[in-house]
Amino acid sequence: EDQVTQSPEALRLQEGESSSLNCSYTVSGLRGLFWYRQDPGKGPEFLFTLYSAGEEKEKERLKATLTKKESFLHITAPKPEDSATYLCAVIKAAGNKLTFGGGTRVLVKP
Amino acid sequence: DVKVTQSSRYLVKRTGEKVFLECVQDMDHENMFWYRQDPGLGLRLIYFSYDVKMKEKGDIPEGYSVSREKKERFSLILESASTNQTSMYLCASSPSGSDEKLFFGSGTQLSVL
Repeated sequence: EDQVTQSPEALRLQEGESSSLNCSYTVSGLRGLFWYRQDPGKGPEFLFTLYSAGEEKEKERLKATLTKKESFLHITAPKPEDSATYLCAVIKAAGNKLTFGGGTRVLVKP
Repeated sequence: DVKVTQSSRYLVKRTGEKVFLECVQDMDHENMFWYRQDPGLGLRLIYFSYDVKMKEKGDIPEGYSVSREKKERFSLILESASTNQTSMYLCASSPSGSDEKLFFGSGTQLSVL
């Protein structure tokens, strides 16, 4: 069975304190791994897609990386507006739907 | 910008009621999805549709049905609501060939009493 596990469940950071979120997965034949951001009271918003081990994507203070077993979302010098829940999802080569992890709630304090 | 609109932000229903959750997208997307989101369980796929009048079961379809009579509209139906269907329901859409990048609505928080 496909599984996606995100850690930690929650993360409290001071403004400027860099950190990383982890997404580990077990899926046969990964086609892609996706990161979404979800603000309170809103639906998830797409951030990145990663397709192969070694691939990296960046957007402002966020950088996503992928290995054969996990992905990291690095937040560099975060600001309070980076506070959100970050969701990871995978899709396998033979599949047609996403499997989501439980998410990591990030709170950045000024 | 893609807009996915869910008809209600909050909904309170009684056990046994028939509940309709409506979702409309304005970008002519072929694919539409219904998820529920629960603390600690993440997003789970209920049903999805790749075309008008077409539907496929997701991971947790029991107790739900869907309707897609028009391309832009995808409805989720709870035939007889139960308390364990209290949840946040999220609708999403994507263009054909890009089912990974989903555009989500803001969600409907359903409480079944």
